[in-house]
Amino acid sequence: DVKVTQSSRYLVKRTGEKVFLECVQDMDHENMFWYRQDPGLGLRLIYFSYDVKMKEKGDIPEGYSVSREKKERFSLILESASTNQTSMYLCASSNSGQGSEKLFFGSGTQLSVL
Amino acid sequence: DQQVKQNSPSLSVQEGRISILNCDYTNSMFDYFLWYKKYPAEGPTFLISISSIKDKNEDGRFTVFLNKSAKHLSLHIVPSQPGDSAVYFCAASPQSTSYGKLTFGQGTILTVHP
Repeated sequence: DVKVTQSSRYLVKRTGEKVFLECVQDMDHENMFWYRQDPGLGLRLIYFSYDVKMKEKGDIPEGYSVSREKKERFSLILESASTNQTSMYLCASSNSGQGSEKLFFGSGTQLSVL
Repeated sequence: DQQVKQNSPSLSVQEGRISILNCDYTNSMFDYFLWYKKYPAEGPTFLISISSIKDKNEDGRFTVFLNKSAKHLSLHIVPSQPGDSAVYFCAASPQSTSYGKLTFGQGTILTVHP
């Protein structure tokens, strides 16, 4: 069974802390994504990566960075967490080429920044 | 600037009846459209898709209709079942990308009553 695994289901952090969200996929997918889900706003793309060490900004990259050192792992980093980064974070992966729009999502990490 | 809009935050339907979820888009570059379904505490899962060269795609109880001139698509579920109760996200992608970069709508909460 294909899987995208996010390391934490719930996280509580303090303002100003550096936060790491980890995501691992076992499908040998080239593409990986980080989205955040907020009520009334749907899913918004933060960053994506189409290959190891490659990354591109999504629609809302401010305050975030990412790392992809290995094909199966994609990390989202909040350099200095702020309360407006309280959200549900969803990692996803997909194949390259045709069918790349069929994303496989993890279960999400609910991050609260206090 | 919400390029994909789902104007109905929620929809309530009786079991056995038809559910119709609507989605509008503004970006003329979008030419591939998808619906994802999300249960609580789970990530979204791919449901059905349609390319702009078609106006209808059917998969079992689920049918997606695309009206390009109106920049509108809809998802029909017939007959609706209580297990269909979930949040439904519409998503769109331009042909130019093979990276699976999607723009999502805000989501519609569907409740199917027994």
